[in-house]
Order: sequence, then structure tokens, then C-alpha cells
Amino acid sequence: QKEVEQNSGPLSVPEGAIASLNCTYSDRGSQSFFWYRQYSGKSPELIMFIYSNGDKEDGRFTAQLNKASQYVSLLIRDSQPSDSATYLCAGRPSGGYNKLIFGAGTRLAVHP
Amino acid sequence: DAGVIQSPRHEVTEMGQEVTLRCKPISGHDYLFWYRQTMMRGLELLIYFNNNVPIDDSGMPEDRFSAKMPNASFSTLKIQPSEPRDSAVYFCASSFRGPPQPQHFGDGTRLSIL
Repeated sequence: QKEVEQNSGPLSVPEGAIASLNCTYSDRGSQSFFWYRQYSGKSPELIMFIYSNGDKEDGRFTAQLNKASQYVSLLIRDSQPSDSATYLCAGRPSGGYNKLIFGAGTRLAVHP
Repeated sequence: DAGVIQSPRHEVTEMGQEVTLRCKPISGHDYLFWYRQTMMRGLELLIYFNNNVPIDDSGMPEDRFSAKMPNASFSTLKIQPSEPRDSAVYFCASSFRGPPQPQHFGDGTRLSIL
């Protein structure tokens, strides 16, 4: 069973701090990983994707991938109350499939 | 550009009735996915299509669920007969073939079976 694991949270951080969201995956052959943000009552919204080891930055967001440790993370710098949402990590499994395996999501709460 | 369009946004019906959910993918996308999301089980992939052909339906919970994609711009997910445990938010997503193939989600259909 190919799985993506996330801590459900809630992760509570003060405004302006760095929020660190983590994800582990079981399929060592997974190549691509995606972070989605989902506000309550809304649909998942793609934030960014990563498929190379190391860091990828986009504005206040940085995705990190460590394939040896099978670990993906998302850092949010200068967290704002508007970042409060559930963050879903997803990986594309090996085997030539185009589907995504989603984690259960981590709820982030940024308090003023 | 128009995103993934789903209808209806909300559906409330009685147990035993047939329910049909509809989805229009983003133009040019050749993959279409149907998901179900509940608090207990999270986001589950039900079925996905490539070029209108079902590729993986292993997530379809039982024979009461069926999905079709008659053309590149339209798909349906049907539940017959519906049961209260089918109550969930159903999302449709689409993606383009090229890597890394991020999926783009519609607004979802909130289904309540009484």
C-alpha cells in the first residue's frame, strides 16, 4: 500500500513566524510531490510541486524534498492569518501512473 | 481561462434516489479524476480517465457507483441507489499529460443523502 503520511495538527504558529509542514511517503519510487492548500468548505488549491532533491522557493513558500529519507516539507515564511487552512501533501506513485496519493492533511492555524 | 466546472454545487436527496454529478475539465487536459472527501477518510480517489478511457477504478466503493466520460469535455459520476453513507464532498480534477502533471480541482459537489 503506497501511503503519504501527515500529522493532522493543528499546527499553531504566531503571525510572522515560519510554519513547517511535514510529509513522509512509503513509495521509494515516487518522483513528484505536490502541496495543496484547502480552506474550509473550499476545494484544494495547488501551491507548488517539487520533483528534485533539495529546495524550491516560490514567494513565501519553500518546498523541500529528501528522497533518501522519503520526506517532503513545506515552509511558509512570515505566516499570516490568511494562511490558516489545511495543507495536503500528495505524491505521484511509481509505476507510470498519473494519479496522486494524498495525505490526510495538516491543519495550520496562524494566530495574530 | 475557465477552471474545472462541477454541477450541482449542492445536492440533497433521499436515500434510494439516483444521483448524478457532472464535471467539465479544463480544455486541453486529457486526464480527469473523481475524488470523494469526508472527515473520516480524507480525500479518496474514486476513478480516473485518460483520453476519455477509464484507467483505474479501484477506488470506486461498490457497484452502486459508476462513472462515464463520453467526450473530452464532460464526465458524470452516478450513484444508484444512494445511501446516507455516500454523503460527502465530491471533487472532480483534471490535468495535462506533460510532467509534473499537477491536478486542478473544481469547486466540488456537496452531497447529502437523507
